[in-house]
Amino acid sequence: NAGVMQNPRHLVRRRGQEARLRCSPVKGHSHVYWYRQLPEEGLKFMVYLQKENIIDESGMPKERFSAEFPKEGPSILRIQQVVRGDSAAYFCASSPQDFDPETQYFGPGTRLLVL
Amino acid sequence: GDSVTQMEGPVTLSEEAFLTINCTYTATGYPSLFWYVQYPGEGLQLLLKATKADDKGSNKGFEATYRKETTSFHLEKGSVQVSDSAVYFCALTLYTDKLIFGTGTRLQVFP
Repeated sequence: NAGVMQNPRHLVRRRGQEARLRCSPVKGHSHVYWYRQLPEEGLKFMVYLQKENIIDESGMPKERFSAEFPKEGPSILRIQQVVRGDSAAYFCASSPQDFDPETQYFGPGTRLLVL
Repeated sequence: GDSVTQMEGPVTLSEEAFLTINCTYTATGYPSLFWYVQYPGEGLQLLLKATKADDKGSNKGFEATYRKETTSFHLEKGSVQVSDSAVYFCALTLYTDKLIFGTGTRLQVFP
């Protein structure tokens, strides 16, 4: 009974490179949420997706960041032309239905370091 | 805006000591409140919740009471164990699709 999988667990990029973070939800879950935790801060909501649709991207930076959750395969958070300020832990969560913390499972996170 | 404030860590305790981790919130409305726990190398797990004033959430010996008058949701446990060592996050939601988290408090319990 696999939980939410995220890979890579640690990612190092140089400024200007692209970062791709993957999230495989719990089997059967069709809702995915991405959160970012900057150093010394709490987790901040970024985006909520259902299969092939972005439902709420109110927490997503307007530039360089994008997210998708295709019909097949994992959800991808893509950061183009990374800067040092993108260094953070990125957490993914999934749920089988509309938002309900009791059925929402979090992954272990991807730690992104931008040099 | 809506926010959650937690006490800074780390909190260091001996086994069987009493634990309190303070959490206060600011919200425009009546939020639902949560405590999450993150063990090393794992994702956040929902520990307990309360959805209205004076509700008490409890799980695994942990408790927290929703105090509307003090806008607080402090986490308590009467006797901690080494296995409780983790990072604890307080969070709220206001009937939306997102959680608002505090910064997390690291708990270290020594034998």
